[in-house]
Amino acid sequence: EDQVTQSPEALRLQEGESSSLNCSYTVSGLRGLFWYRQDPGKGPEFLFTLYSAGEEKEKERLKATLTKKESFLHITAPKPEDSATYLCAAYYGQNFVFGPGTRLSVLP
Amino acid sequence: NAGVTQTPKFQVLKTGQSMTLQCAQDMNHNSMYWYRQDPGMGLRLIYYSASEGTTDKGEVPNGYNVSRLNKREFSLRLESAAPSQTSVYFCASGDFYEQYFGPGTRLTVT
Repeated sequence: EDQVTQSPEALRLQEGESSSLNCSYTVSGLRGLFWYRQDPGKGPEFLFTLYSAGEEKEKERLKATLTKKESFLHITAPKPEDSATYLCAAYYGQNFVFGPGTRLSVLP
Repeated sequence: NAGVTQTPKFQVLKTGQSMTLQCAQDMNHNSMYWYRQDPGMGLRLIYYSASEGTTDKGEVPNGYNVSRLNKREFSLRLESAAPSQTSVYFCASGDFYEQYFGPGTRLTVT
């Protein structure tokens, strides 16, 4: 069964404590893997698109990587303003599926 | 530029009532999308429109209809609302590789 899952469901970090969020996918014919950020009460905001295994992209304190089975969103020295829910999504065939998200809290 | 706008922001319906959610974008995108977001289930695609005059079903289309009125506007209609349609609805535009989302409509069906 095609699936996109994310772990952990929630993560609390101290400011400056680096960590990684995981997105695992079991789909055929991946056309793209995406990361979005969503703040409470708002729509998701686009972060990255990854197209093939081995690809990496960076933006400020965030770095996204992709393997054949999963993607990681690495957060280096996070700040409280990085607190949000991070969503991954997979585009495969004619399907577009979001994972359930990881709720990140960064404490000062 | 306003980006993607949605109206209304909040709505309460009784079971069986109908309503239309409106969405407009000013980014000249060909494609537009409607999603619903429920706790623990993530965003699920209801319908999308790859271009003006075309619409396609997504993962959860049952109970909904859509209209691509022109390049800017894409509406979602609930003909007979059910409590299972209580959710937050998001409209987006852009291609599948990079989507821009509106602020959402919080719909409650009692």
